[in-house]
Amino acid sequence: AIQMTQSPSSLSASVGDRVTITCRTSQAIRDDLGWYQQKPGKAPKLLIYSSSSLQTGVPSRFSGSGSGTFFTLTISSLQPEDFATYYCLQDYNYPLTFGQGTKVEF
Amino acid sequence: QVQLQESGPGLVKPSETLSLTCTVSGGSISDYYWTWIRQPPGKGLEWIGYIYYSGNTKYNPSLESRAAISLDTSKNQFSLKLTSVTAADTAVYYCARRVATKPVYCFDHWGQGTLVTVSS
Repeated sequence: AIQMTQSPSSLSASVGDRVTITCRTSQAIRDDLGWYQQKPGKAPKLLIYSSSSLQTGVPSRFSGSGSGTFFTLTISSLQPEDFATYYCLQDYNYPLTFGQGTKVEF
Repeated sequence: QVQLQESGPGLVKPSETLSLTCTVSGGSISDYYWTWIRQPPGKGLEWIGYIYYSGNTKYNPSLESRAAISLDTSKNQFSLKLTSVTAADTAVYYCARRVATKPVYCFDHWGQGTLVTVSS
């Protein structure tokens, strides 16, 4: 199985901050990586697919980049509703595997 | 608007079988990979497996011997059975729709999740 290393596991930030989360994979996965946001008690929500494609309806302050084994999710200006946990997911081969999550908090 | 809704018992005894159903509304069940994902309390997400609308299935090797996913196209439902459960299977179980049409791969719709507790 492809191992996912997501970092940091948590970070403290303020409204307006630029936030970057990284995800490394144990083998190259082209650009078959997505990012999901999860708020407490809720299902994950798709933000980014294919490494850099913004899901319909997701604010443009979210962006993704990377290919191969290194990927980033960037929030350009953190908003109050962005405090949540973020997961990367490799969609390249089976079993599909998630990163460990990054909790973004005050 | 596509919606998914999980249903099933919230409490299962150890060694018994966990059974959940996901009802899909607002869209066709064709051309997608219908998936189960779980999340133990306070932990990360684990992919369990999928069933394609044609009936093909694939499972996480860690659960393959105990998991079975089936599809009822007449009811727009798919189901998960997990046998011989233990406390380690206690989790929120999500059903989700996976798009897997090159170059797009993603889970674009999710159910709200249902907590299943394994306890006597």
